Amino acid sequence: QSVLTQPPSASGTPGQRVTISCSGSSSNIGSNYVYWYQQLPGTAPKLLIYSNSQRPSGVPDRFSGSKAGTSASLAISGLRSEDEADYYCAAWDDSLSGLIVFGGGTQLTVL
Amino acid sequence: QVQLQESGPGLVKPSETLSLTCTVSGDSISTNYWSWIRQPAGKGLEWIGRIYSSGSSIYNPSLKSRVTMSVDTSKNQFSLKVRSMTAADTAVYYCATDIGGYSSKFESWGQGTLVTVSS
Repeated sequence: QSVLTQPPSASGTPGQRVTISCSGSSSNIGSNYVYWYQQLPGTAPKLLIYSNSQRPSGVPDRFSGSKAGTSASLAISGLRSEDEADYYCAAWDDSLSGLIVFGGGTQLTVL
Repeated sequence: QVQLQESGPGLVKPSETLSLTCTVSGDSISTNYWSWIRQPAGKGLEWIGRIYSSGSSIYNPSLKSRVTMSVDTSKNQFSLKVRSMTAADTAVYYCATDIGGYSSKFESWGQGTLVTVSS
């Protein structure tokens, strides 16, 4: 059971806009930045969004992140076949002595 | 651009200690934080812990009693040891750059190394 809750799956057709949610609590998302990672099959995760809504250099602006309260969202617009991957949210959690927690991951299928 | 490469045994016997090393190129290990993350087959990511070049570290409470991280600045490497391995520790282990603080920003990752726990 992951500390951050994501839907296990999501899907969309090419060109569509898809959103993936990430729900947490006041000790993680509610008080710290959210990060998103994309993991293509058989590869290491790749940083997609940092500090809630910032894109690293090279990440298309089709990808956007937002946060409100104890929840965050990743939106992908103009869906493309190469976006088919697993997506993970992450955040620092202030509980205990502090740790980084991940969501369980959302498998995105492009139909 | 920083590159990371994990190395270590692919097979560990139950109750034994896993030792992995991450070799860093393209950046000095002395100027960053470094993390280990693992992923069981078909499952999600789990943060194991973080170490700074000074040797100060913080571990996931769920693994803290069995984990030790260290840094070798002369070799530009950092390492992970996990004691008393069980089948539940079978996973792909990744090393990654970290920026410390209250961040979960892992900008660069190694390719990962599969560790199987089996007799």
